[in-house]
Amino acid sequence: TQLLEQSPQFLSIQEGENLTVYCNSSSVFSSLQWYRQEPGEGPVLLVTVVTGGEVKKLKRLTFQFGDARKDSSLHITAAQPGDTGLYLCAGGGYNAGNMLTFGGGTRLMVKP
Amino acid sequence: DAGITQSPRHKVTETGTPVTLRCHQTENHRYMYWYRQDPGHGLRLIHYSYGVKDTDKGEVSDGYSVSRSKTEDFLLTLESATSSQTSVYFCAIRTSGGTDTQYFGPGTRLTVL
Repeated sequence: TQLLEQSPQFLSIQEGENLTVYCNSSSVFSSLQWYRQEPGEGPVLLVTVVTGGEVKKLKRLTFQFGDARKDSSLHITAAQPGDTGLYLCAGGGYNAGNMLTFGGGTRLMVKP
Repeated sequence: DAGITQSPRHKVTETGTPVTLRCHQTENHRYMYWYRQDPGHGLRLIHYSYGVKDTDKGEVSDGYSVSRSKTEDFLLTLESATSSQTSVYFCAIRTSGGTDTQYFGPGTRLTVL
């Protein structure tokens, strides 16, 4: 069974601060997705990374896939209240159903 | 937006009654998934489908069945709902193209009294 540990679980910061969320596993993943979810809605895809060492940027968000494809990080620069939400990482496995393994989520609150 | 709708969006039912949730997609994706999301447990896979009439179990399949008679529709049935099945249910599709990226529907909030 593949496991993804996400940290921290909760994060409350002031507007303008920087933060990093981590996803770690002992398993190798074929890809890594990051989602953001707001209350009452489904997770919305932010990015997919597939190559070890890959870095992708989405405005103030920077995503990195570890060289060994076992871990990933999400860094937000100058957080804004609009960044508030639940952030989920999900690893793609080498399995018949192309199933994803989800981390437990990081609940971020950015205060004005 | 991957053209995924779920119905109903909210449902309250009583223990022991059957419940069917529907997921509908408009883009002919082969793979479809049903998840439940609960505090402290994150997203857990219930069942998935890899084609019409082709389905398989996920991590938490007990008490649930699924059917897929058309590419566009994936149904999740609780044969006899229990209070432990109170949850938010999400449907997802997997796009083709080599990665495992999944896109999610808006969810169904189910309360079993």
